[in-house]
Amino acid sequence: SQQGEEDPQALSIQEGENATMNCSYKTSINNLQWYRQNSGRGLVHLILIRSNEREKHSGRLRVTLDTSKKSSSLLITASRAADTASYFCAPNTNAGKSTFGDGTTLTVKP
Amino acid sequence: GAGVSQTPSNKVTEKGKYVELRCDPISGHTALYWYRQSLGQGPEFLIYFQGTGAADDSGLPNDRFFAVRPEGSVSTLKIQRTERGDSAVYLCASSPGVGLTGELFFGEGSRLTVL
Repeated sequence: SQQGEEDPQALSIQEGENATMNCSYKTSINNLQWYRQNSGRGLVHLILIRSNEREKHSGRLRVTLDTSKKSSSLLITASRAADTASYFCAPNTNAGKSTFGDGTTLTVKP
Repeated sequence: GAGVSQTPSNKVTEKGKYVELRCDPISGHTALYWYRQSLGQGPEFLIYFQGTGAADDSGLPNDRFFAVRPEGSVSTLKIQRTERGDSAVYLCASSPGVGLTGELFFGEGSRLTVL
């Protein structure tokens, strides 16, 4: 199986600041996805980056992928209190299942 | 429905009882996944289905856990002789198909509490 490991475990910032979280994985992938989970809710898909892409943007989200280092980063710019959540990465292979690490818990203080 | 639906949203049971958790995936999604999430941890993979068959059940913790998807749509996760350690949120997700983008659409989960 292929599991992503997120870093840091917890991140606390002020509203308006940028938040960066990292993901490392172990084997070759087809794509990597980032998910968000608000407390007590299901996971919500944020963005997918394919193995042949290096950077992708979606609104205030920027994702990078370095396949040589087997790592990815998620940057949230101009953070808002509503961004407070846990963030998970999911490296994806053709094996089908996605496995998750314990995530990064982001707290954005107003 | 528009999204993945899970019932019940909350289930409290006593140790030793039998429990069924239901998942209604997005219409047309052929792949269906079950995860278990304990407080402060990420979702732990249990099993996934491609159509009616279990393509990978390597995450089921022991033989008290079983899941079915008889018609390739709705799935039921069954837990026999529940133990306190089974208490967790059970998440279901569906996707258009294995080997495609792999994007998962999650339900809100079923919170199981075993007293």
